[in-house]
Amino acid sequence: GQQVMQIPQYQHVQEGEDFTTYCNSSTTLSNIQWYKQRPGGHPVFLIQLVKSGEVKKQKRLTFQFGEAKKNSSLHITATQTTDVGTYFCAASWGKLQFGAGTQVVVTP
Amino acid sequence: DGGITQSPKYLFRKEGQNVTLSCEQNLNHDAMYWYRQDPGQGLRLIYYSQIVNDFQKGDIAEGYSVSREKKESFPLTVTSAQKNPTAFYLCASSSARDYEQYFGPGTRLTVT
Repeated sequence: GQQVMQIPQYQHVQEGEDFTTYCNSSTTLSNIQWYKQRPGGHPVFLIQLVKSGEVKKQKRLTFQFGEAKKNSSLHITATQTTDVGTYFCAASWGKLQFGAGTQVVVTP
Repeated sequence: DGGITQSPKYLFRKEGQNVTLSCEQNLNHDAMYWYRQDPGQGLRLIYYSQIVNDFQKGDIAEGYSVSREKKESFPLTVTSAQKNPTAFYLCASSSARDYEQYFGPGTRLTVT
């Protein structure tokens, strides 16, 4: 069936560094959403991208939707300890399909 | 205060027993969903409902059942037929299919 792949599965980041997590699909998506789940918590919606090539920013977070609408990325600059958690992308082909997530660990 | 509530937060059951997890929302959302999350894993869709009295199987519906008699409520029953029921169960809702989903705090079910 249709799947969305997220890489990397784990990301260890030094506080202050930047990192990027990627979400890839073999088929064209109608939209893509990003969620964050803190340890022990539940997923919280961050953003939705709909248009080809769309770029949206939320403070230190930059979200991008690929030109072919088959991939997306989340880039975090100057990582802080509050960025700890698992980031999920969720792709829509009519119903939402969540990726396996990127677990982010931040070392001070 | 609008949101989604799930109860209980922790649930323990003996193998062979059916158990029902509660999910209530006061967001006036039409669509509701149940997901299962295993340690270090993503979210897998169990069932979803886009309207009262109608629901659809997700990717892992075997061993589970749901009902949607009211817009606000979407309870999930984990039956004894579910082979590995121990997991974190998350309920979510959205105003329509494909829209942003709002998640409840989850129920951690342990079956021994």
